[in-house]
Amino acid sequence: DIQMTQSPSSLSASVGDRVTITCQASQDIGKYLNWYQQKPGKAPKLLIYDSSNLQTGVPSRFSGSGSGTDFTFTISSLQPEDIATYYCQQYDNLPLFGGGTKVEIK
Amino acid sequence: QLQLQESGPGLVKPSETLSLTCTVSGGSLRSRHYYWGWIRQLPGKRLEWIGSIFHSENTYYNPPLKSRVTISLDTSKNQFSLKLSPVTAADTAVYYCARGVGIKWFDPWGQGTLVTVSS
Repeated sequence: DIQMTQSPSSLSASVGDRVTITCQASQDIGKYLNWYQQKPGKAPKLLIYDSSNLQTGVPSRFSGSGSGTDFTFTISSLQPEDIATYYCQQYDNLPLFGGGTKVEIK
Repeated sequence: QLQLQESGPGLVKPSETLSLTCTVSGGSLRSRHYYWGWIRQLPGKRLEWIGSIFHSENTYYNPPLKSRVTISLDTSKNQFSLKLSPVTAADTAVYYCARGVGIKWFDPWGQGTLVTVSS
């Protein structure tokens, strides 16, 4: 079975900082990797699909990259409204989510 | 704009059946472009895909849950449903319904509904 390892589990950064989250798959999943944002008390929202494609309406400060087993999610300039938990999700086989990264403002 | 809304009991007894309905507005379940799925978020915040359905003909279930899960579609009511049976305390979670592009990704999601399994 594929395992997804997301890191870090939490981070604290200042407004305007560049934030990077990684997701590692236990086997090659090509580009079958998505990223979601979940704000407190809300449902997850799709931000990035197929590793690097920005969902319609999502601000361009969010981006994704990677293929195979190693993937990166980046917020180029952290904004106060970006406080949330971010999840990766692979679908090489059946959908499987990473453990999440909680992003806080320093 | 497509919206999804989960409904059902918030408390279920162990060994009984969890039944939830997702009502879709702003779009049709008859669309041949999308799947319709259920995902749950366990108390530790882990997200777990439960299963998805396409046009009542094709269902896909997460193997660890497959023996206990049924997902069905009612296009006349623009609703789809989840049944999980029998339940234990480990099934306590927030349950979300969502539209799927295949079983590749999910967007949008309903607001979620908390189901507690307890006697």
